[in-house]
Amino acid sequence: EPEVTQTPSHQVTQMGQEVILRCVPISNHLYFYWYRQILGQKVEFLVSFYNNEISEKSEIFDDQFSVERPDGSNFTLKIRSTKLEDSAMYFCASSWQNTEAFFGQGTRLTVV
Amino acid sequence: RKEVEQDPGPFNVPEGATVAFNCTYSNSASQSFFWYRQDCRKEPKLLMSVYSSGNEDGRFTAQLNRASQYISLLIRDSKLSDSATYLCVVMDFNKFYFGSGTKLNVKP
Repeated sequence: EPEVTQTPSHQVTQMGQEVILRCVPISNHLYFYWYRQILGQKVEFLVSFYNNEISEKSEIFDDQFSVERPDGSNFTLKIRSTKLEDSAMYFCASSWQNTEAFFGQGTRLTVV
Repeated sequence: RKEVEQDPGPFNVPEGATVAFNCTYSNSASQSFFWYRQDCRKEPKLLMSVYSSGNEDGRFTAQLNRASQYISLLIRDSKLSDSATYLCVVMDFNKFYFGSGTKLNVKP
């Protein structure tokens, strides 16, 4: 069964550093998303991406964040100048026609 | 204002019980509706989409009432493996809004 894969599964970084979280969406999907979930809280939308551009973004997704689809398979989330409060589980998801989304297993980001 | 609100839970039920979860959403123009389940520290996994006509998948039945902006999930004959957090998800254009989830504990 096709699945969304994310790497790394766990990333520890020092405050102020930049991190890149990587995702390989399901191959024939067209819509890509990043979400985050702070421990004990709900899943929060960050950004959606379609046709090589951002289609929607939340208030959380400020200038500290950026997304890129550098080639035909990868979809990345870059977080610049990380803060302690960026510690969370980051989920990538993809969907075929902007309907149900399928999630990767997540990257647990710990900022120390 | 929360876009999606769910029963607070947790629901503690014995094996074999029937349990129902409710969810309301705030945007009447919302387009699509889903139930996901999430196990502890895992990713959300799609359980089922929710249609206005209602839909059933084995022991699971989902209903949507657009007029009341209300979504429900019914689980019959609960199994130990049903223990998880159930997430109500509403899609508006290119955004998925998640409820906070309702935790279900099925006890032997």
